[in-house]
Amino acid sequence: EAGVAQSPRYKIIEKRQSVAFWCNPISGHATLYWYQQILGQGPKLLIQFQNNGVVDDSQLPKDRFSAERLKGVDSTLKIQPAKLEDSAVYLCASSSGGGPGNTIYFGEGSWLTVV
Amino acid sequence: GQQVMQIPQYQHVQEGEDFTTYCNSSTTLSNIQWYKQRPGGHPVFLIQLVKSGEVKKQKRLTFQFGEAKKNSSLHITATQTTDVGTYFCAGPSAGGTSYGKLTFGQGTILTVHP
Repeated sequence: EAGVAQSPRYKIIEKRQSVAFWCNPISGHATLYWYQQILGQGPKLLIQFQNNGVVDDSQLPKDRFSAERLKGVDSTLKIQPAKLEDSAVYLCASSSGGGPGNTIYFGEGSWLTVV
Repeated sequence: GQQVMQIPQYQHVQEGEDFTTYCNSSTTLSNIQWYKQRPGGHPVFLIQLVKSGEVKKQKRLTFQFGEAKKNSSLHITATQTTDVGTYFCAGPSAGGTSYGKLTFGQGTILTVHP
């Protein structure tokens, strides 16, 4: 079974520039998550989709971050304009459902450095 | 807001020694999950505990969920170099009914000296 695919794996941008990350979840998984992991910390949930609807985006900095999941499959996370503190690994994850008992599978992550 | 704390932050052991990491939540949890992240890698799900006082074993790993469902521990017996990585506990965010809306601890970094 193919895992969660993410691209690009690495990105370096200057502050105030924009960046977009793409995620393709495991086939058939209805729930998709974007987590932000700053070096030395645990992952923090940014947004959760159930199919193509947003379940939770309470921790998404909406003035600069946006995410969409068109057609309930692939998802894109965008940052515009980027700040230095956005340097982190952006982890996409998916699960077959949103309830207990559904294992969450993480992708390899997209490493962002803002200079 | 909900906080999940882990101790210790770092642990260095000799191969063959035991290792334990502890997780404490500021709120009662419906379940707790443990993940392992290898250096440069992504978190990998290890286990979920649901019941008060539950104990689960995976080979050399023993997981416990506290009676009050606010704390948990992971114990590794006779560590091996393959155990190297960061171990995270995670629990559903306060008010979150969704399995995926997790609050992660800051992790315990385990290094094993051969």
